[in-house]
Amino acid sequence: GENVEQHPSTLSVQEGDSAVIKCTYSDSASNYFPWYKQELGKRPQLIIDIRSNVGEKKDQRIAVTLNKTAKHFSLHITETQPEDSAVYFCAADTGNQFYFGTGTSLTVIP
Amino acid sequence: NAGVTQTPKFRVLKTGQSMTLLCAQDMNHEYMYWYRQDPGMGLRLIHYSVGEGTTAKGEVPDGYNVSRLKKQNFLLGLESAAPSQTSVYFCASSRTSGGAPDTQYFGPGTRLTVL
Repeated sequence: GENVEQHPSTLSVQEGDSAVIKCTYSDSASNYFPWYKQELGKRPQLIIDIRSNVGEKKDQRIAVTLNKTAKHFSLHITETQPEDSAVYFCAADTGNQFYFGTGTSLTVIP
Repeated sequence: NAGVTQTPKFRVLKTGQSMTLLCAQDMNHEYMYWYRQDPGMGLRLIHYSVGEGTTAKGEVPDGYNVSRLKKQNFLLGLESAAPSQTSVYFCASSRTSGGAPDTQYFGPGTRLTVL
């Protein structure tokens, strides 16, 4: 089955700096890659996603890039704010189910 | 439009007891999923359903059973709870897009403790 690895597991940045979280996947059949944000005690919520026919997608301060050849995708958050502090999960969709990374705990220091 | 709801929100069981977690969605989604979330392990799929009356095993199905008798409901059962099943359980649902599942929407979670 699919194997999704996510790095780093923890990340601390100063407010205003950028944060980058990287994921790799193993199954070349995966064609949909969502990113979820989970605040403490809350449910995961979709923040951005990308499909395999697109290389990059941006939504305000958040962007995702996908390299199908290398089988990796990344989340980029620019101008970080304290409210960006949360756990972020990547996932890869093989067509029937999602496989999630183990999460990155992001702390934005004011 | 409530989205995805789960009941109960919290539960404490003794080893060997049984219980059922209920997930309901009002978005007419075809796909529904049950995950467990443990510290440092992300979200792991227990079982899922691609439509009413169908179920399939995920990554960690042992000790759990599911049923999807109605399209809007997906039940997760623990027949004989064990301390290893202490976790936060999330339900999710998604519509189909081009024949494949689309974005998953999560319920608020159920925190289960097995003593």
